Amino acid sequence: ETGVTQTPRHLVMGMTNKKSLKCEQHLGHNAMYWYKQSAKKPLELMFVYSLEERVENNSVPSRFSPECPNSSHLFLHLHTLQPEDSALYLCASSLLAGTTDTQYFGPGTRLTVL
Amino acid sequence: AQSVTQLDSHVSVSEGTPVLLRCNYSSSYSPSLFWYVQHPNKGLQLLLKYTSAATLVKGINGFEAEFKKSETSFHLTKPSAHMSDAAEYFCVVSDPGYSSASKIIFGSGTRLSIRP
Repeated sequence: ETGVTQTPRHLVMGMTNKKSLKCEQHLGHNAMYWYKQSAKKPLELMFVYSLEERVENNSVPSRFSPECPNSSHLFLHLHTLQPEDSALYLCASSLLAGTTDTQYFGPGTRLTVL
Repeated sequence: AQSVTQLDSHVSVSEGTPVLLRCNYSSSYSPSLFWYVQHPNKGLQLLLKYTSAATLVKGINGFEAEFKKSETSFHLTKPSAHMSDAAEYFCVVSDPGYSSASKIIFGSGTRLSIRP
């Protein structure tokens, strides 16, 4: 295993629900990431945290709200999602948030929005 | 602006035959290049990366890739395919001229199938 865990692995929610995705890394890394992986589309970077500060927010709708309480944990809070938000959400971590750093990925949360 | 193109969305080879997954990139600087693999229901795992050292990079599971600046390519190869190689493969480019991880661009992926 890569040392990055994600819970839950599967989530089905209605458009009016509020839920949260959790990511935890045990690698001693300082950077964490949220990606969205949709069918037939390249991986989309959503958020980057470095030393618990958000350093990137790639025009993600406000119905997605990240939280990084410490360097080992990352959350993605979800509310009033749309069916097109159904996707695999991947968390990753790296030692630093640089462009040459290897990222270590969790297994993902498969989200279905009804 | 940087970009990455994986030329084949699906490649199918017989077990024991060579594998070639093609990747072309565009970059304003000398880029860093990666190949990641994703097995079903798993996250992505690094196969190998090029960061301006030797142009022929060896990775895990017998894979290797060659950085060819003149052709702006970073194709992934393996001499002999194994059934366990069946997965999705992603080519990734990043510009070291940027400090932000948002300048990391993933290709759209190539699905590799292995025939018995």
